[in-house]
Amino acid sequence: DAGVTQSPTHLIKTRGQQVTLRCSPKSGHDTVSWYQQALGQGPQFIFQYYEEEERQRGNFPDRFSGHQFPNYSSELNVNALLLGDSALYLCASSLVTGSHEQYFGPGTRLTVT
Amino acid sequence: QQQVKQSPQSLIVQKGGISIINCAYENTAFDYFPWYQQFPGKGPALLIAIRPDVSEKKEGRFTISFNKSAKQFSLHIMDSQPGDSATYFCAASAPPGGTSYDKVIFGPGTSLSVIP
Repeated sequence: DAGVTQSPTHLIKTRGQQVTLRCSPKSGHDTVSWYQQALGQGPQFIFQYYEEEERQRGNFPDRFSGHQFPNYSSELNVNALLLGDSALYLCASSLVTGSHEQYFGPGTRLTVT
Repeated sequence: QQQVKQSPQSLIVQKGGISIINCAYENTAFDYFPWYQQFPGKGPALLIAIRPDVSEKKEGRFTISFNKSAKQFSLHIMDSQPGDSATYFCAASAPPGGTSYDKVIFGPGTSLSVIP
C-alpha cells in the first residue's frame, strides 16, 4: 500500500519564476492538504483540496494556488517566486469522513536563488 | 487563538530516561490533538493522537496526557532510545463548521536528542 508520494524531491528556482509541485495521496484517501515548512519551524497550512475544490486556506497570498484531479492527486503552484518561498513543501492526505488523521509525504525541498 | 505553544525547544535525555514535551492551546474548538515525529529530510510521521474526551492515551512507549480544563497536553516517551532522536511536533485540529476545520495547526517543535 503506497503512502503519500511527492515529486520532485528537490528543486532549485530563480526569483520571479513559477514552480509546480505534485502529490499523490495515500491509497483510499480523497483529501489533500499542503503545508510549507521553513527550516527549524513547524509546518504551516497552505490549503486543502477535496472533490477538486479548495476547501480551506491558510494565510498565504494568491501566488500560491492548487489543483486536485479526479484521481485525487494534487498540484501546488507558486508564481513569482520570492527568496522567502524557500522551504520544504509537504503534502498530507486524509479521508474526508475520517478522524482528522493526516498522513504526510516526504516533501519537496524548494530553493529559490 | 490559532496558536499551539510547545516547550521545551530542545531536550537532551539519557538512554532509558523519560522524555517529556509540553503543549498548550487557546482555541476550545480544537477536538483532535496529534503528535508528529520528524527525522531530518523526511516528512512528519503521525505518532499518536488524542481527543479531549479522554485524559490519557498510551501506545507502546508513547503516552499522551491531556488536561482539558488547563488546555494543555503532553507527550511522554518512556525508556527513551537513541533512535527516538528527532523533532517532535504537537498539533491541533478542529471539527467541521469552523475556520480551523482539518487545518492541522502545528507547534514550533522540540528537538529531542537521546544520548547513550
